[in-house]
Amino acid sequence: QKEVEQNSGPLSVPEGAIASLNCTYSDRGSQSFFWYRQYSGKSPELIMFIYSNGDKEDGRFTAQLNKASQYVSLLIRDSQPSDSATYLCAVNPGNTPLVFGKGTRLSVIA
Amino acid sequence: DVKVTQSSRYLVKRTGEKVFLECVQDMDHENMFWYRQDPGLGLRLIYFSYDVKMKEKGDIPEGYSVSREKKERFSLILESASTNQTSMYLCASSLQGVNNGYTFGSGTRLTVV
Repeated sequence: QKEVEQNSGPLSVPEGAIASLNCTYSDRGSQSFFWYRQYSGKSPELIMFIYSNGDKEDGRFTAQLNKASQYVSLLIRDSQPSDSATYLCAVNPGNTPLVFGKGTRLSVIA
Repeated sequence: DVKVTQSSRYLVKRTGEKVFLECVQDMDHENMFWYRQDPGLGLRLIYFSYDVKMKEKGDIPEGYSVSREKKERFSLILESASTNQTSMYLCASSLQGVNNGYTFGSGTRLTVV
């Protein structure tokens, strides 16, 4: 069974701080990794993807991948109250649909 | 603006009814998916399709069927709705290839009474 694990939270950070969201996965052959943001009552929205070891930056967001440790993370710099949402980690094992974690709820306190 | 459109935002149906949930994408995506999302259970895959007239069972296909007669349209069918199928239903689509993420529709919140 391919699994993606996330801490459910809530993760509370003060406005302006760095929020660090973590995800581990069980399938060592996984090839690509995605982060989705989901506001309450809305559908998931893709914000980042990464497929090579290391860091990938896009604005205030940085995705980090360590395939040896089967670990992927999302850093949000200068966190804003509008970043408060549930963040879903998704993993592509290869020839099958994405496997989603259950998400981490982030709360940014003004 | 590219889109995945789900026909209804809210739907209330009676137990035993046959329910159709429609999903249309305008991005010429090959792959389409149906998920349900429940508190504490996350996204659970019901059915998916990688091509027209092709369908594959996901993790929880029982009580559901699908139809994909055209590339842009993927329908989810609840053969005989039950109260435990009350949920948020999300349709998604993607291009082929492992580096392509999914684009989700806005969801249909189905209540079965």
